[in-house]
Amino acid sequence: SQTIHQWPATLVQPVGSPLSLECTVEGTSNPNLYWYRQAAGRGLQLLFYSVGIGQISSEVPQNLSASRPQDRQFILSSKKLLLSDSGFYLCAWSKGYEQYFGPGTRLTVT
Amino acid sequence: GNSVTQMEGPVTLSEEAFLTINCTYTATGYPSLFWYVQYPGEGLQLLLKATKADDKGSNKGFEATYRKETTSFHLEKGSVQVSDSAVYFCALSDTAGGTSYGKLTFGQGTILTVHP
Repeated sequence: SQTIHQWPATLVQPVGSPLSLECTVEGTSNPNLYWYRQAAGRGLQLLFYSVGIGQISSEVPQNLSASRPQDRQFILSSKKLLLSDSGFYLCAWSKGYEQYFGPGTRLTVT
Repeated sequence: GNSVTQMEGPVTLSEEAFLTINCTYTATGYPSLFWYVQYPGEGLQLLLKATKADDKGSNKGFEATYRKETTSFHLEKGSVQVSDSAVYFCALSDTAGGTSYGKLTFGQGTILTVHP
């Protein structure tokens, strides 16, 4: 069966510091991968998606970037965090129309 | 573009009450429709889905019917439990151009609290 991992589970970072969140998927190959942010108020915003290694599409301009160095690895990064980057970051994968979500990373920028 | 509108929350019910969470959508083409549930501090879990008009998705006592004529996908449960307390998201898939990227458009979510 397929599983999706995210780490760290929680993170507290100062403004201006770098960020790296990692997501890996097991049990499938060549999945579509997604990064979402869920700010306070619970709505989900799609940040990036990827249909293959090195292929990244950005949905909204922002302070963040994504990379897919391996087939089942998806990384969300920032060079300098802003207060507004705080939120709950969710990674997801799909092979069709259904998406399956990881447990999330709670990021607090102080 | 695609959009999903859910009823405003929060919704507060007593155990064994009937639940309805309204969801309507706007989409080009023929989207698939989903309900996801998020328990506190966790990621989203797929609750049920419907891929074409008049399909009924069901799981764990929850049901929703894909109504193309009213562009709706309302979530219902006949008798809620305290353990159903969570945030519920309606979503639709993006199939524009025949792609199957699986990009989802989410509603804003509805908080459900069930009291004993």
